[in-house]
Amino acid sequence: EDKVVQSPLSLVVHEGDTVTLNCSYEVTNFRSLLWYKQEKKAPTFLFMLTSSGIEKKSGRLSSILDKKELFSILNITATQTGDSAVYLCAVEKGGNKLVFGAGTILRVKS
Amino acid sequence: GAVVSQHPSWVICKSGTSVKIECRSLDFQATTMFWYRQFPKQSLMLMATSNEGSKATYEQGVEKDKFLINHASLTLSTLTVTSAHPEDSSFYICSATDSARGYGYTFGSGTRLTVV
Repeated sequence: EDKVVQSPLSLVVHEGDTVTLNCSYEVTNFRSLLWYKQEKKAPTFLFMLTSSGIEKKSGRLSSILDKKELFSILNITATQTGDSAVYLCAVEKGGNKLVFGAGTILRVKS
Repeated sequence: GAVVSQHPSWVICKSGTSVKIECRSLDFQATTMFWYRQFPKQSLMLMATSNEGSKATYEQGVEKDKFLINHASLTLSTLTVTSAHPEDSSFYICSATDSARGYGYTFGSGTRLTVV
């Protein structure tokens, strides 16, 4: 059975802290791993990772994939209150299906 | 960028009635649309995949007679919750992808359904 496991389930940090969110997976027919940020409604796309060891960066966010160990991390540096959200990890498998993890709830306190 | 519009954003209905949720791709042709359900503090669970002009493929455990999906055009898919009951109350989100663009899943803003 396909599994995507995120940790921690929730996290509270102070502004300026750096956080690392984890995502491990066991999915057949892996195609890519995606990270999303969900605030109140629709998830918004952050990163798509297909190759191991290549860091993707967007501002204070970065992510990397390890296809041998079957995990990915999402880093957020110098956190801001606007980073408070649920961060979802999803694995895309053949057939255009996304398997989502349960998410990590991040709360950044000012 | 790609935009997916989902309507309504919230709906309250009486037990036993049916509710239709629409999902439209505004600036691209969505060859495939997906419907998800999300319970509070839980992740998105795929309910079904629909390809334009063909029957939807439902995930195990999802009643196709209860959750009717129609994808009659390349820009519109609808999910109808038939004979809704309080346990159907949930957050429903659609997403769309255009296989011609290779990848990319754009999500709608979701519909909060409450059945009373």
